[in-house]
Amino acid sequence: QVQLVQSGAEVKKPGASVKVSCKASGYTFTSYDINWVRQATGQGLEWLGWMNPNTGNTGYAQKFQGRVTMTRSTSISTAYLELTSLRSEDTAVYYCASNPPETGDFNYWGQGTLVTVSS
Amino acid sequence: QAVLTQPSSLSASPGASASLTCTLRSGINVGTYWIYWYQQKPGSPPQYLLKYKSDSDKRQGSGVPSRFSGSKDASANAAILLISGLQSEDEADYHCMMWHSNTWVFGGGTKLTVL
Repeated sequence: QVQLVQSGAEVKKPGASVKVSCKASGYTFTSYDINWVRQATGQGLEWLGWMNPNTGNTGYAQKFQGRVTMTRSTSISTAYLELTSLRSEDTAVYYCASNPPETGDFNYWGQGTLVTVSS
Repeated sequence: QAVLTQPSSLSASPGASASLTCTLRSGINVGTYWIYWYQQKPGSPPQYLLKYKSDSDKRQGSGVPSRFSGSKDASANAAILLISGLQSEDEADYHCMMWHSNTWVFGGGTKLTVL
């Protein structure tokens, strides 16, 4: 069955960077886009960007341009989200989600990774 | 003004129907867009429910009961998620989403209470 398994919780200091992984199984990794979405406690969902694992093409939300990088390793079917210059407002659960290219059908989601930014 | 606006909460009784609205910002025509709906229960990631553009262009998520359906109210410039025959397990947060200006945009979410 399709699974997206994310790396574990992280605690970072302001100004640091974090890299979250998302390992896909049960489908052809390069056939579906990966999107990253975050959710602060008690808040709504916020989209960070997408990546096509086949081409490596990416698209980032304007809010995160310059701070976010999405990459992948096709050999191990894993996508990565790196967020730099962390601030307290980046404290949230970060989710990866897979979808058919150019659709919003985020059919499968990772379990989420809590990133806490605190001094 | 937010691109997508959802009421923060809604309550309904078991067996009844609930209409959850997602209002688009003035100037963004609801008729033009696919609107996606997600359900999220506490401590879990969102789950895809369905997408709706028109009565002839809609898709149900895999395994999603037909009690969940989408529609639009053009006069209110809003998308609607209708849940009929409410069950206790439908108690959750519901999020709408659309593609706008090269960005996936979410509404703030509606907490549905079934009581």
